[in-house]
Amino acid sequence: DAGVTQSPTHLIKTRGQHVTLRCSPISGHKSVSWYQQVLGQGPQFIFQYYEKEERGRGNFPDRFSARQFPNYSSELNVNALLLGDSALYLCASSLLQGLNTEAFFGQGTRLTVV
Amino acid sequence: AQSVTQLGSHVSVSEGALVLLRCNYSSSVPPYLFWYVQYPNQGLQLLLKYTTGATLVKGINGFEAEFKKSETSFHLTKPSAHMSDAAEYFCAVGRNAGKSTFGDGTTLTVKP
Repeated sequence: DAGVTQSPTHLIKTRGQHVTLRCSPISGHKSVSWYQQVLGQGPQFIFQYYEKEERGRGNFPDRFSARQFPNYSSELNVNALLLGDSALYLCASSLLQGLNTEAFFGQGTRLTVV
Repeated sequence: AQSVTQLGSHVSVSEGALVLLRCNYSSSVPPYLFWYVQYPNQGLQLLLKYTTGATLVKGINGFEAEFKKSETSFHLTKPSAHMSDAAEYFCAVGRNAGKSTFGDGTTLTVKP
């Protein structure tokens, strides 16, 4: 079975631009989460979606948005990119949304803002 | 509210030596605790987790961790380090694995 897949793997954007990152969860998983991992730090929670609804949001500005599609894939959008948005963006999928003991991570999208 | 503190951003051991990576947590509810490993340019892989029950948890690749409520700790150990264990390790806390709070990680170096 395929794991969590993210695209693209790398991209470079200019300050002020917009970016869309994509994630396909493991088949059968209905919950998708997004994390930002800045170099030298642990992942920070951005969003969780379950059954196409936002079920949690971390401490990120409104420039960050996401959505989940009927097939449970997800997009993370970031507007008006700043240099500080440069990071590895990780997607994780899991079966459930509540008391949930296992999340599977993709390999991430490395975003560089110049 | 919950938080994780990983003591020591870098740990270096010799091949065959004991590995000990420290994690202390803070949680207002009974915690679920996780250890993940991250190899360069890759995502996170779950090593082990504690939810309820037995406080000594065994994971993959010979790693184990013990939940100590009185010390709010969940330290990761491995009796004998292997070169392939060199990676970054993250401790995380959360009742929902998809919405966890991570520590800043510990880079493990294994010397031949």
